Amino acid sequence: EAGVAQSPRYKIIEKRQSVAFWCNPISGHATLYWYQQILGQGPKLLIQFQNNGVVDDSQLPKDRFSAERLKGVDSTLKIQPAKLEDSAVYLCASSFSGGGYNSPLHFGNGTRLTVT
Amino acid sequence: DAKTTQPNSMESNEEEPVHLPCNHSTISGTDYIHWYRQLPSQGPEYVIHGLTSNVNNRMASLAIAEDRKSSTLILHRATLRDAAVYYCILNTNAGKSTFGDGTTLTVKP
Repeated sequence: EAGVAQSPRYKIIEKRQSVAFWCNPISGHATLYWYQQILGQGPKLLIQFQNNGVVDDSQLPKDRFSAERLKGVDSTLKIQPAKLEDSAVYLCASSFSGGGYNSPLHFGNGTRLTVT
Repeated sequence: DAKTTQPNSMESNEEEPVHLPCNHSTISGTDYIHWYRQLPSQGPEYVIHGLTSNVNNRMASLAIAEDRKSSTLILHRATLRDAAVYYCILNTNAGKSTFGDGTTLTVKP
């Protein structure tokens, strides 16, 4: 099966600019996650979708970050305006059903964002 | 969120077994234990998961303590390609997976 696709692979922007990341999950996977991974740390959950509804966005900085999942398939994560501390790898993951029980997460290779 | 505790780093010799420990003393009855590993410049990769019984697959074995407060990921014969960061996480029935900082495994030839 095709894996989770993310683009772009790398992005460099200046602070206060905006940026968007795209994710295409594995076909048939109802649950989609966006994680932020700062260098040297484990991934931190930003938002979790079940189909096109938000399940958990408690750690999403909503003043600058937004995410949507159109028609329960692809998803876009946006940052506007970006800050220096947003420099990180943004990982998208999907799972068959909520990641719980017997549903492991499948990750893309991420987008590395550098804010200068 | 249920938390896990892992050593920051471990070393192993090539072709020897590796036992990676994880403590999860606040685990609830319905939480599954999942292990992932992350190679440089890649996203995390699923390794194995279990609930109560020990589990084996082609990549590794998972040994779960009887009280479920700890678990051990076992790589039977480490290779250089197994050098990675290994994450032990608890997967809740809401589908939430909280990652810690993991264990960096170094494999020496």
